[in-house]
Amino acid sequence: GQNIDQPTEMTATEGAIVQINCTYQTSGFNGLFWYQQHAGEAPTFLSYNVLDGLEEKGRFSSFLSRSKGYSYLLLKELQMKDSASYLCAPISGGYNKLIFGAGTRLAVHP
Amino acid sequence: DAGITQSPRHKVTETGTPVTLRCHQTENHRYMYWYRQDPGHGLRLIHYSYGVKDTDKGEVSDGYSVSRSKTEDFLLTLESATSSQTSVYFCAIRGQGLNEKLFFGSGTQLSVL
Repeated sequence: GQNIDQPTEMTATEGAIVQINCTYQTSGFNGLFWYQQHAGEAPTFLSYNVLDGLEEKGRFSSFLSRSKGYSYLLLKELQMKDSASYLCAPISGGYNKLIFGAGTRLAVHP
Repeated sequence: DAGITQSPRHKVTETGTPVTLRCHQTENHRYMYWYRQDPGHGLRLIHYSYGVKDTDKGEVSDGYSVSRSKTEDFLLTLESATSSQTSVYFCAIRGQGLNEKLFFGSGTQLSVL
């Protein structure tokens, strides 16, 4: 089976930094995705990690620890438009079954 | 943007009727996925395909079947729709490389009355 845990909701202030955690258990591992989803829209790609460590991409960074089954998404200099759901998805082995966590709904306030 | 199209975009149907949703891609990607999304549940995997005629079950496959007779099309069928299948359905595609992104269609809003 597969277990993925993310906090359900988070709030933060515009201009601040927020870290969204994801813990997972999978059978086999071929990397982990983070996606952003605004209300009423399809999810869009944010990051992919397959090796341990931090991947930085502008205001967004993603970290992976394979041995701990742990990842986080770091959002810096928060903007109002960052209010969205953030979805974590580890890729299991074999035929690349892709299951998402329930998502973290982030609300950014002025 | 990836070439992925879902049809129909909206559908209202009655309990007990069969429904087929279509996902069409122009990217020649190997992997195709069907998800449903309900409030409080996030994206849940229904079925996925790793090649023509190669499919497997996801987390919530009961009441759904799929077919992939050619690379570009992945069909999701509800043999006898129930009200619990009212949801937003997303199709997604992914290439074969390890770091290939998952691209989503625009979604289908299905209401079963």
